Amino acid sequence: GAVVSQHPSRVICKSGTSVKIECRSLDFQATTMFWYRQFPKQSLMLMATSNEGSKATYEQGVEKDKFLINHASLTLSTLTVTSAHPEDSSFYICSARGGVGGYTFGSGTRLTVV
Amino acid sequence: QQQVKQSPQSLIVQKGGISIINCAYENTAFDYFPWYQQFPGKGPALLIAIRPDVSEKKEGRFTISFNKSAKQFSLHIMDSQPGDSATYFCAASISGNTGKRIFGQGTTLQVKP
Repeated sequence: GAVVSQHPSRVICKSGTSVKIECRSLDFQATTMFWYRQFPKQSLMLMATSNEGSKATYEQGVEKDKFLINHASLTLSTLTVTSAHPEDSSFYICSARGGVGGYTFGSGTRLTVV
Repeated sequence: QQQVKQSPQSLIVQKGGISIINCAYENTAFDYFPWYQQFPGKGPALLIAIRPDVSEKKEGRFTISFNKSAKQFSLHIMDSQPGDSATYFCAASISGNTGKRIFGQGTTLQVKP
């Protein structure tokens, strides 16, 4: 079946530093990648949609200069949280268009900014 | 209009019982309604999905009931097991199964042995 590999699963970083999260589609080509953020015991909030080779489309209220998304190939998309602050601590999940059900989620990244 | 409202927020069911989670939507353009299961620290996994041209879909112990006129759909988990304890999200999509998902608020299910 379709698999989206997301790394790292957990990361702790110091305030002011940047963190990169990678999502790779292992056995299919992901022309579109969706990035979500999830707070504890809350729903998934769509942050942005990226299409391979073009600029990401950000949802209203999401700072595009803070959450940099790159989708340079059909199998790799990255989310970089720049100048991270404690309020950026959250669970970040990617989802690739493709695979079973048309939409395959990564396993998530728990970001903690100290 | 883009919202999907999910209830209850939490649910406790005895082993062997039926778990029922409900969702409602407003946007009639939605044409795909998946349910996801999420375990702590993991990404959501597709459980079952339905399109609005059918009123019910069953896969094993999981059934989706869909009421197009009421703009409501629900997940029924028959013979609930402790391993079903997880958070469940309904979602809705425009443009079929590849469209972006609008998620409900989530329901935390606990199945007691």
